[in-house]
Amino acid sequence: QKEVEQNSGPLSVPEGAIASLNCTYSDRGSQSFFWYRQYSGKSPELIMSIYSNGDKEDGRFTAQLNKASQYVSLLIRDSQPSDSATYLCAVNKGRGSTLGRLYFGRGTQLTVWP
Amino acid sequence: GAVVSQHPSRVICKSGTSVKIECRSLDFQATTMFWYRQFPKKSLMLMATSNEGSKATYEQGVEKDKFLINHASLTLSTLTVTSAHPEDSSFYICSAQGQEYRETQYFGPGTRLLVL
Repeated sequence: QKEVEQNSGPLSVPEGAIASLNCTYSDRGSQSFFWYRQYSGKSPELIMSIYSNGDKEDGRFTAQLNKASQYVSLLIRDSQPSDSATYLCAVNKGRGSTLGRLYFGRGTQLTVWP
Repeated sequence: GAVVSQHPSRVICKSGTSVKIECRSLDFQATTMFWYRQFPKKSLMLMATSNEGSKATYEQGVEKDKFLINHASLTLSTLTVTSAHPEDSSFYICSAQGQEYRETQYFGPGTRLLVL
């Protein structure tokens, strides 16, 4: 079982719609959760971090965390063509020899069409 | 805040030469830096983790004698690809983590290496 799994996509939504990206993780003791955006040919860029159960909103982005279900999601409201990128879910186990290390999913490619 | 730079952004070299890539945290102290490699349309692959003043920890399958990592200060880590070969051509990305950012990793812009 992989540490972090994401729906493979690609995901295609029209401009103005809500894009929903999902991620599950295997280690129940994981502490910190992150969403990164990666444009083609560029390095990852941090969008959101979330540490507690529930929702966290930042502009058009909302991260949702459910530790009981080991599930993290990212909602993008009013999607724009500029949101077209690969979205990476990352998890930090927060303890022991892996302290600080992030485990990444394979990423979900999102295309927002005008 | 939390800006990470990498230099060079792009390098082309002949097979057999060594290439050094620098990663700097510009506005925070990076207690830990990470080095990743990414092939086209593939996932990020963690190569090694380095803490300031100590030896790097390499992931399984990564040759420590080929990919030399030095983390001499809280703002600088270097990756040297020794005796580079065409199969080492890839996108190398560093990230930095500081205590004030609670495990968050901030990525540098990456270095694209092409070995001829």
